Amino acid sequence: AQTVTQSQPEMSVQEAETVTLSCTYDTSENNYYLFWYKQPPSRQMILVIRQEAYKQQNATENRFSVNFQKAAKSFSLKISDSQLGDTAMYFCAFIPGNYGQNFVFGPGTRLSVLP
Amino acid sequence: GAVVSQHPSRVICKSGTSVKIECRSLDFQATTMFWYRQFPKQSLMLMATSNEGSKATYEQGVEKDKFLINHASLTLSTLTVTSAHPEDSSFYICSALSSGETQYFGPGTRLLVL
Repeated sequence: AQTVTQSQPEMSVQEAETVTLSCTYDTSENNYYLFWYKQPPSRQMILVIRQEAYKQQNATENRFSVNFQKAAKSFSLKISDSQLGDTAMYFCAFIPGNYGQNFVFGPGTRLSVLP
Repeated sequence: GAVVSQHPSRVICKSGTSVKIECRSLDFQATTMFWYRQFPKQSLMLMATSNEGSKATYEQGVEKDKFLINHASLTLSTLTVTSAHPEDSSFYICSALSSGETQYFGPGTRLLVL
């Protein structure tokens, strides 16, 4: 069975600082995709970043970047220059490479950005 | 692009009534949509996978006669909670699978059954 673990239920960071959210997963698949989604208080799920397992280069989207360690099955999210609007639940998600498969979500990390 | 809408955003109903929630992909076609349920301060729990033109695939423990899913077109899937009871009160979220593997989520529907 595939599982996703987020070991930090809650985190906080000062505005403009950098924070890293951890995520580990377990799978026997070789081809898969990893995602970070953000769920702010509005509860709208917003895609933050995605990573294809076959790509060695870490994905980057503006202030968001990942550290993908395939051998260790680790997929952490780094948020640089944290902003108040980054306050949200962050979910790590895994999906096998076969089209139409459903996500496996982690339990989430609640991030608070402090002024 | 990749916008998914959900309607209604909030619904309050009496116990025993049925409630229909619509999920639409506005700017892309989605052969596959997913329905999730989310309890407060918890992660998303997949209820069912909805495939256009075929029967939905339900996760273990989800009653298919209770939660009716119809995916009649490439842009619309509906979830009907039949004979709703207070324990069905929850936040329901749909997502649509775009080309590739990325799911785009609707804004969710908050259901309160009195």
